[in-house]
Amino acid sequence: QVQLQQWGAGLLKPSETLSLTCAVYGGSFTGYYWSWLRQPPGKGLEWIAEINHSGSTNYNPSLMRRVTISVDTSKKQFSLRLDSVTAADTAVYYCARVAPPFDYWGQGTLVTVSS
Amino acid sequence: QSVLTQPPSVSGAPGQRVTISCTGSSSNIGAGFDVHWYQQLPGTAPKLLIYRNNNRPSGVPDRFSASRSGTSASLAITGLQAEDEADYHCQSYDSSLSVGVFGGGTKLTVL
Repeated sequence: QVQLQQWGAGLLKPSETLSLTCAVYGGSFTGYYWSWLRQPPGKGLEWIAEINHSGSTNYNPSLMRRVTISVDTSKKQFSLRLDSVTAADTAVYYCARVAPPFDYWGQGTLVTVSS
Repeated sequence: QSVLTQPPSVSGAPGQRVTISCTGSSSNIGAGFDVHWYQQLPGTAPKLLIYRNNNRPSGVPDRFSASRSGTSASLAITGLQAEDEADYHCQSYDSSLSVGVFGGGTKLTVL
């Protein structure tokens, strides 16, 4: 049974850096891409970025100037960094496995950006 | 503004059939890219409900089905149950944007 567990800071001030990590338990880590997505309050889902075990990445063009996704294959973890956050980045952030589609999800982390 | 358009809400009585539409364009659904559907129960992460247009993962009841035509897709739920009350999201890929894209989500209320 595949499980994703994520963690990171939930309250940030404008201009700070968002940092989240997702650990994968069970299943293969090397055979998939691993993604971050977000869902602003009351809105739809938005794909942010993805990475595989060897570090190959893909980014949403609308966010790529501020986003870095990284992987630690030895720990079966991958991470998200989003620079210079604003209130518009307030959302629930999810990590997910890319089958495709997104077949396993983390529990979600609410990140609030407020001064 | 989501790339795929879904109705904000639908409702139905227990036992009834409801459908949720997902309208795209020639660069996503109309281009033949797969459509996937997710169910999101209140306060939880999305769960894969339908993959590659009309396939159900293990454990998803056959009350859930999906179809597509042209630039649109739809999710059908028959024999509505109270436990089906959730948000439903469609997803595809857009070749103009080079990203996976989602609908804005549809809230299903079981009356």
